[in-house]
Amino acid sequence: QVLLVESGGAVVRPGGSLRLSCAASGFSFRTYGMHWVRQAPGKGLEWVAFIRYDGTNKYYADSVRGRFTISRDDSQNTLYLQMNSLRSEDTALYYCAKGRGYGDYVAAEYWGQGTLVTVSS
Amino acid sequence: DIVMTQSPDSLAVSLGERATINCKSSQSVLSSSNSENYLGWYQQKPGQPPKLLIYWASTRESGVPDRFSGSGSGTDFTLTISSLQAEDVAVYYCQQYSRPPYTFGQGTKLEI
Repeated sequence: QVLLVESGGAVVRPGGSLRLSCAASGFSFRTYGMHWVRQAPGKGLEWVAFIRYDGTNKYYADSVRGRFTISRDDSQNTLYLQMNSLRSEDTALYYCAKGRGYGDYVAAEYWGQGTLVTVSS
Repeated sequence: DIVMTQSPDSLAVSLGERATINCKSSQSVLSSSNSENYLGWYQQKPGQPPKLLIYWASTRESGVPDRFSGSGSGTDFTLTISSLQAEDVAVYYCQQYSRPPYTFGQGTKLEI
């Protein structure tokens, strides 16, 4: 079965950096696009970023563009989110999700349990 | 960016009754190339990650009970639960994946 396990969440100071990882198993990772979605405490879902199955296209939310970078390592079946210049408003539970299909325009089919990022001084 | 607006923000429905949640997009999410609406519905129960219920606006994900149905096209969409069960208490979100950024609605909290 599909399994997505996020890691890398931590408490970090404003202006700091963090790299999140998402280990994928149970499906052919290299043939699916992948999403990052976040949820601030007690708030709704906010889509963060998407990477195409072959890594050629990457899309970002306006709130993170220029600060966050999505990437993937198909040899390790792992998705990454490099987060720089972190702000207090980036505090959230970060989920990775498998795209429902291999194209750019796909729903988020399976989700991990999330990893918590707290930005605080 | 496409703005997704759900209504109502919260909803209380009796067991066995119908629940209806609406979602409106600021731009059409209907593709002219394949006539599909790039709209999904998700269910999130407390302490759990979201679960995809419906994609292409009206296609149920495998294993989702048939009391859940999606309808609509263009900019106006509806999620209907035909006969509410206790386990359906959750927050429901719509999302467009027609054009990045792939925005979510603000969520609708469904209670008994």
